[in-house]
Amino acid sequence: SSELTQDPAVSVALGQTVRITCQGDSLRGYFASWYQQKPGQAPVLVIYGKDNRPSGIPDRFSGSSSGNTASLTITGAQAEDDADYYCNSRDSSGNHVVFGGGTKLTVL
Amino acid sequence: EVQLVESGGGLVQPGRSRRLSCTASGFTFGDYAMSWVRQAPGKGLEWVGFIRSKAYGGTTEYAASVKGRFTISRDDSKSIAYLQMNRLKTEDTAVYFCTRTSGYYYHMDVWGKGTTVTVSS
Repeated sequence: SSELTQDPAVSVALGQTVRITCQGDSLRGYFASWYQQKPGQAPVLVIYGKDNRPSGIPDRFSGSSSGNTASLTITGAQAEDDADYYCNSRDSSGNHVVFGGGTKLTVL
Repeated sequence: EVQLVESGGGLVQPGRSRRLSCTASGFTFGDYAMSWVRQAPGKGLEWVGFIRSKAYGGTTEYAASVKGRFTISRDDSKSIAYLQMNRLKTEDTAVYFCTRTSGYYYHMDVWGKGTTVTVSS
């Protein structure tokens, strides 16, 4: 399968912890990467590989994976985390890339 | 500063062609694969394709939706990646992002700001 499935919308109270998930067959063989996108801006990589954060990404962002599901966890969500989040990975063939449909995170 | 700048977007009629450019700076361009990702208005991200570095053969891969119509190439001497789009359709209307693609899992660690292509008569 070449699909990654995300919940369309998730909300979290300010300062609380939220988990955003991404499901797909390809995730049994490949780690997902996670991107944050704010309106009118380009996406920004926040997590890649097993659980790696690019320079400048706060340590409240973390990643994990189990079976066919990858998760992005934000521990102590901040107002500035209100954004769309996308996962991607190599597809099951290994030659292509697939994105999830995105999750709109609302920080209340 | 590591940077990608896309150019070449604009209004184009259905069936016509357009070439986008992605100019890189601040890193050794030839060492990296380069991808194109697009986003239709109000929609999510869609991978278009990528070109591997010369060290990995410089070969290309494409999404099924554009295969046979779009071609990605690179000029490492100029640090530019190209997206040649032929036989454009209205559904190709989107913001097109250029990304630096790294590692075994193809994560996209640098993004340009994007260039908008509108396909309309």
